[in-house]
Amino acid sequence: QVQLVQSGAEVKKPGSSVKVSCKASGGTFSTYTINWVRQAPGQGLEWMGRIIPILGIPNYAQKFQGRVTITANKSTSTAYMELSSLRSDDTAVYYCATAPGAVPAATLYYFDYWGQGTLVTVSS
Amino acid sequence: QSVLTQPPSASGTPGQRVTISCSGSSSNIGSNTVNWYQQLPRTAPKLLIYSNNQRPSGVPDRFSGSESGTSASLAISGLQSEDEADYYCAAWDDSLNGVLFGGGTKLTVL
Repeated sequence: QVQLVQSGAEVKKPGSSVKVSCKASGGTFSTYTINWVRQAPGQGLEWMGRIIPILGIPNYAQKFQGRVTITANKSTSTAYMELSSLRSDDTAVYYCATAPGAVPAATLYYFDYWGQGTLVTVSS
Repeated sequence: QSVLTQPPSASGTPGQRVTISCSGSSSNIGSNTVNWYQQLPRTAPKLLIYSNNQRPSGVPDRFSGSESGTSASLAISGLQSEDEADYYCAAWDDSLNGVLFGGGTKLTVL
């Protein structure tokens, strides 16, 4: 059973950056990918990107290309999501979630464990 | 606008059976399996159905999923008050090389 614990809430100014962490325990870090999903207030879920820890290779949703950086530290089983050039519409709860498999197939790609979420508020 | 289309709302009375649809395209549901997530108020989403119709351990068999072509459905039988939640479908999209979520369906138990 994997547990994901995320860092605490953040309040940021427009134009700044935020870095959210996600520490995994209870499993082997290299046996799953770490994904980031966000949810704006009253809105649905939106996939931002992922990292395959065993390869250290990220890939990002087109919408966030150039603004998001996802990294992973295998030695501490912690993944990070950094979002830059923040705008008010980036205000959201950001979740990390695992997809099982070191390199999951697209045909069987689902999120089995989720972090508790981190609220990022962007306000001047 | 989500490429996976769900009805924004659904409702039923206790004991009833309700279904929630999810419509996609050949690059997502037509090529890859569909997953469903349940999000209770003020909590993180939870995996409900994976690989079109598989239930993770601990999910009651009242919940079932199906898929046909470029559409999928989630069925909930014997509706209970605790089923009141938002439900999201999701699938990998080969064209976008990423995961797509449906817009979500808010289920109300009357």
